[in-house]
Amino acid sequence: GAGVSQSPSNKVTEKGKDVELRCDPISGHTALYWYRQRLGQGLEFLIYFQGNSAPDKSGLPSDRFSAERTGESVSTLTIQRTQQEDSAVYLCASSPAASSPLYEQYFGPGTRLTVT
Amino acid sequence: GQQLNQSPQSMFIQEGEDVSMNCTSSSIFNTWLWYKQDPGEGPVLLIALYKAGELTSNGRLTAQFGITRKDSFLNISASIPSDVGIYFCAGQLSGAGSYQLTFGKGTKLSVIP
Repeated sequence: GAGVSQSPSNKVTEKGKDVELRCDPISGHTALYWYRQRLGQGLEFLIYFQGNSAPDKSGLPSDRFSAERTGESVSTLTIQRTQQEDSAVYLCASSPAASSPLYEQYFGPGTRLTVT
Repeated sequence: GQQLNQSPQSMFIQEGEDVSMNCTSSSIFNTWLWYKQDPGEGPVLLIALYKAGELTSNGRLTAQFGITRKDSFLNISASIPSDVGIYFCAGQLSGAGSYQLTFGKGTKLSVIP
């Protein structure tokens, strides 16, 4: 079946502009995660959605970052007034349920964001 | 916050050689995971470890969960060109927010044919 998909695959934007990144999780997966991966670094947790529960936003680095998810489907990560330090690969992952073993987190290919 | 120290940062090895990489933490983890990431792709889970002392194999890969619960290693035997990529360790804490993973910075593996 289809895996996690993300769009766009690459995004170049000017400093100060807003960007929206999209994640389509695997159908039926109730949990969705966003991570940021800076060049040469590991993954940083940003935000977590589980069903209709309030999302865990504890990893968002500033109030310029926000994310939404409609039900158990698509999620969008929005970065307002982008800064050069926002340049990174943004990865989305989904899993069948929060109680699943963590090995069931399936990652998308990521969106490479470059802020000029 | 928690930090994972992963080493080495990069490795160049000859095809057929064995490889070893490890992660250490300042915190105790309940789960250790090892991922591989190919260029332009998301990480793919290789091995998951759930118990201190656990030794798990997946083909030519072997990983162990350290007894102190603060470290883990990954070995790759008889490396082949398709082993090239970046390997990440990740740890998971128990309790609230246990779905969160803390990742190491990765070990970049290059295999010379």
